[in-house]
Amino acid sequence: GAGVSQSPRYKVAKRGQDVALRCDPISGHVSLFWYQQALGQGPEFLTYFQNEAQLDKSGLPSDRFFAERPEGSVSTLKIQRTQQEDSAVYLCASSFEGLATDTQYFGPGTRLTVL
Amino acid sequence: GDSVTQMEGPVTLSEEAFLTINCTYTATGYPSLFWYVQYPGEGLQLLLKATKADDKGSNKGFEATYRKETTSFHLEKGSVQVSDSAVYFCALKTNDYKLSFGAGTTVTVRA
Repeated sequence: GAGVSQSPRYKVAKRGQDVALRCDPISGHVSLFWYQQALGQGPEFLTYFQNEAQLDKSGLPSDRFFAERPEGSVSTLKIQRTQQEDSAVYLCASSFEGLATDTQYFGPGTRLTVL
Repeated sequence: GDSVTQMEGPVTLSEEAFLTINCTYTATGYPSLFWYVQYPGEGLQLLLKATKADDKGSNKGFEATYRKETTSFHLEKGSVQVSDSAVYFCALKTNDYKLSFGAGTTVTVRA
């Protein structure tokens, strides 16, 4: 595709609900990243995939957060039993290889509001 | 750990004014440095990057030079336009993949 796409763009959940956020990376991009951006802050790294392998999940805030990329393309970030502190914009990015000099291309984000 | 500190905003300028947004970093190793921009209602876009010391990144009239001696990557534009109103993020990568961002600087340009 032309760019990274994410769905839904907006999600409102009641506290305790489970949510699933989808990311479609740029076709052919090996690496995929999830970031969390709180209001008024810069994005914070959550997790990284190279193809279907999750190589780093050190940024996931708790075990309620789970990400997968089973076929090395589309990825889903799942949040179980959502809490108010999970309210943020969740950004997905992809890059061709994942090298330090590679550009990460970001999607528009999913704004999650937990009531 | 790796971190980026950038100038706090908001910054308000008149059209054709000179813009500087300061960015300094702390990192182990030799990071690649980036400026990303987020226009109202849009996603993050790469504005420019530099991958080694003394490199200058440039795009859309913006420039930033990778200064290892001062651990800085300040963003500059000589004559801003209303369309440059956005949030600007400085970022670095020291390993192969993890971007560390600053808190962002909101820039508003008035006609």
